[in-house]
Amino acid sequence: KQEVTQIPAALSVPEGENLVLNCSFTDSAIYNLQWFRQDPGKGLTSLLLIQSSQREQTSGRLNASLDKSSGRSTLYIAASQPGDSATYLCAVDSWGKLQFGAGTQVVVTP
Amino acid sequence: DGGITQSPKYLFRKEGQNVTLSCEQNLNHDAMYWYRQDPGQGLRLIYYSQIVNDFQKGDIAEGYSVSREKKESFPLTVTSAQKNPTAFYLCASSMQRGIQETQYFGPGTRLLVL
Repeated sequence: KQEVTQIPAALSVPEGENLVLNCSFTDSAIYNLQWFRQDPGKGLTSLLLIQSSQREQTSGRLNASLDKSSGRSTLYIAASQPGDSATYLCAVDSWGKLQFGAGTQVVVTP
Repeated sequence: DGGITQSPKYLFRKEGQNVTLSCEQNLNHDAMYWYRQDPGQGLRLIYYSQIVNDFQKGDIAEGYSVSREKKESFPLTVTSAQKNPTAFYLCASSMQRGIQETQYFGPGTRLLVL
C-alpha cells in the first residue's frame, strides 16, 4: 500500500527566505507526483505535476524535483512572500488513484 | 468561468439524518471524485466516477452514497450509517480518470454534527 509522508508538519520562515518542503512515498511505481496548495477552509489548487519520467518541473518561483528510486520529492519556493502562507500537499498518482500526504503548513512572516 | 462549485459551504446534520452535498462542474470533465479531509490527515477517496451512470467505491465508502445521472453533477449523500461524518468534503474532477491527469478541486463543504 502506498504511503505518503510530509515532514515537517509545520514550518515558519521570515519573508525572503527560500522554502524547502519534503515529500516521501513508499512505492516507487508511480505515474506522477503533484503538489497542491490549500488555503484555510478552501479547496486545493494544483501547483506542479511531475511525470514519472521527469526529474523536475518549474513554474515561476516554484521548482519541484522527483527522485523515484529514493521515493522523494522536494518543493522549493524561492524568495518566500507572506502570500505563500498556506498548507502544501503532495499527492502520488498510483494507477490513476491519488494518495495524499497530510501536508506541511507554512507561515511566512513579514 | 469554468470551474467546480460545491454547496452548501457549511452543513449541519442531526443524528439519524441523511444529508446531501452538491458538486457541479462545467469543465466538461468525464471523471469526478469525492474526498474527505480530517485535521492532520491527507485527503481520503470516498467515491469516484469515470462516466455517467457509473461510479466506484474508494477507500472509505462505507456510510456514503453517490449518483452520476449527469456529466456535470456528482452529489454525495452522507447517510445515518456514517457514524463520524464531521469533516471537510472536497469534490474534484479531471478530464478522465487515468495517469497524468490533473485533478481540479472545488471549494469544499464543511459538515458538522449537531
